[in-house]
Amino acid sequence: AQKVTQAQTEISVVEKEDVTLDCVYETRDTTYYLFWYKQPPSGELVFLIRRNSFDEQNEISGRYSWNFQKSTSSFNFTITASQVVDSAVYFCALRTNRDDKIIFGKGTRLHILP
Amino acid sequence: NAGVMQNPRHLVRRRGQEARLRCSPMKGHSHVYWYRQLPEEGLKFMVYLQKENIIDESGMPKERFSAEFPKEGPSILRIQQVVRGDSAAYFCASSPVWREVPYEQYFGPGTRLTVT
Repeated sequence: AQKVTQAQTEISVVEKEDVTLDCVYETRDTTYYLFWYKQPPSGELVFLIRRNSFDEQNEISGRYSWNFQKSTSSFNFTITASQVVDSAVYFCALRTNRDDKIIFGKGTRLHILP
Repeated sequence: NAGVMQNPRHLVRRRGQEARLRCSPMKGHSHVYWYRQLPEEGLKFMVYLQKENIIDESGMPKERFSAEFPKEGPSILRIQQVVRGDSAAYFCASSPVWREVPYEQYFGPGTRLTVT
């Protein structure tokens, strides 16, 4: 069975602090894709990153970075020098090679306090 | 290139009425997916359609819900005799036929259904 667990339901940090959002996934497939989406208060889903199971390189995009560790089935997301505009719900998600549906975690609500 | 369009963005229905949610995929996309987001929850897959064909409806409630994607026109998610528990955000996503960007689903802005 496929599953995505985001253990942190809600996090609050003060602006400019770094924050890491955890994501642990389960799948028996060897080929799969992992995603992070941002859902701001306006409600739309904003795609942040896709990573395939064969690429364990960490990725950095501006203040965002992602740490993919197959050994621990984790795909954590770090925001450096957080800003108030980063306040949103963040979803980690999984899609396998033999299935078209995306499995979402329950999300982590991030509050960046000024 | 316009993104995935959903309408209406907000829909209010009384208990027992029907709700029709529309999704126009991105140009050139013939795969459509519907997801439901209950309050304070993540998105859950409902159904996957190609033109005139339901591929996977494993996430659809057994009763009152149906989906179609006709040869012409948008995909429709139909909820008959709505109940308060149907209140949620419904997201549509589309992906291209040839999957130029592997397994990329492009999400629409969602329709927020409120049942009173």
